[in-house]
Amino acid sequence: SAVISQKPSRDICQRGTSLTIQCQVDSQVTMMFWYRQQPGQSLTLIATANQGSEATYESGFVIDKFPISRPNLTFSTLTVSNMSPEDSSIYLCSVLKRRGTSGVNEQFFGPGTRLTVL
Amino acid sequence: DAKTTQPPSMDCAEGRAANLPCNHSTISGNEYVYWYRQIHSQGPQYIIHGLKNNETNEMASLIITEDRKSSTLILPHATLRDTAVYYCIVRVRDTPLVFGKGTRLSVIA
Repeated sequence: SAVISQKPSRDICQRGTSLTIQCQVDSQVTMMFWYRQQPGQSLTLIATANQGSEATYESGFVIDKFPISRPNLTFSTLTVSNMSPEDSSIYLCSVLKRRGTSGVNEQFFGPGTRLTVL
Repeated sequence: DAKTTQPPSMDCAEGRAANLPCNHSTISGNEYVYWYRQIHSQGPQYIIHGLKNNETNEMASLIITEDRKSSTLILPHATLRDTAVYYCIVRVRDTPLVFGKGTRLSVIA
């Protein structure tokens, strides 16, 4: 399995500012993902972040709004730029990692960062 | 886009089996059926997955129809701690999960 931590766990921010969310994994992983979960909604994939290459963004998400860094195999950041109240969501980091001794890669999730934009 | 259809909500009495259905009529031959759940204010948690055979682990059983167009997740003895949103997802291995709306399961004492 994978132990994933995120910082901050929650924050309240003013509109127009930016927030950088950190994701730390306890072991090296190739594929990391960032999701958003708006209030009362399901999870939406923002982007895939692989070390050594540019992040790949899903439709509706752009690098200028959600820049991502992936400096090594255990760490990634997601920045929410020029925030508005519509960005109020839970942001979750996720990784693809081998599950136990099965030889099968599965997806594990961090605890999430709860962001409120005023 | 999510490729599965699930009922928006279900209730289950504590101690009884919870049977959560999922339709995935457009599933491809190389796509697996995965189940995750999200307990309030936590990240999603893996439950079980399968390709075409029925599967069982310590958490649940997964029954996949022979034509693979639908499946059922079975929690054999539901407890209050099983109250969560359950997501049925079909995907090719090693691709990111795409979540639908899921089923909100309420286990009632």
